[in-house]
Amino acid sequence: SYVLTQPPSVSVAPGQTARITCGGNNIGSKSVHWYQQKPGQAPVLVVYDDSDRPSGIPERFSGSNSGNTATLTISRVEAGDEADYYCQVWDSSSDHPYVFGTGTKVTVL
Amino acid sequence: EVQLVQSGAEVKKPGESLRISCKGSGYSFTSYWISWVRQMPGKGLEWMGRIDPSDSYTNYSPSFQGHVTISADKSISTAYLQWSSLKASDTAMYYCARHVTLVSDWFDPWGQGTLVTVSS
Repeated sequence: SYVLTQPPSVSVAPGQTARITCGGNNIGSKSVHWYQQKPGQAPVLVVYDDSDRPSGIPERFSGSNSGNTATLTISRVEAGDEADYYCQVWDSSSDHPYVFGTGTKVTVL
Repeated sequence: EVQLVQSGAEVKKPGESLRISCKGSGYSFTSYWISWVRQMPGKGLEWMGRIDPSDSYTNYSPSFQGHVTISADKSISTAYLQWSSLKASDTAMYYCARHVTLVSDWFDPWGQGTLVTVSS
């Protein structure tokens, strides 16, 4: 089945920019979705269809997708952004159509 | 408000059966698929399977096919995940999530999770 690879951890100082990558074979041809999971909580959708934000998600969260890498960018990072982040794609031709990335822990220094 | 509310934490012994639930509200329950996702302690998210509540059609990940059963009762807007014989390795947090399907397919919202602990 399709594999999505993320860096295990990203560290960033408050006010700076965090970039979380999600690598997959020709991922640019798929739509990528991103979820934030804070400790002890359920995942929350923060970006869908590569770069769209659900209502209520700050503009500081943005996404892009091209080639073999999708990226979630968090601008002006705040302490409350500390969480695990997962990318996800839908592979309609697979018998395992919903694939999650390995997850990235974002630490705010 | 669209919401999925799951049943409470469970502690079971190996070999026991279990059914956990996920009740939808604030939307037309039969218009959106529901998936179940496993998260083992300290690990990532794994898709288990999905159900169309309008007709109870299901798809399972090959990793979970035959180990769990997903069902739904549309009359009470509730989806279920059940085991006939639990193992210690089933210890995990289980989430239900509603599908949003346009050109692609993503999950929003998620239930709060049900912690299942299997221990002798």
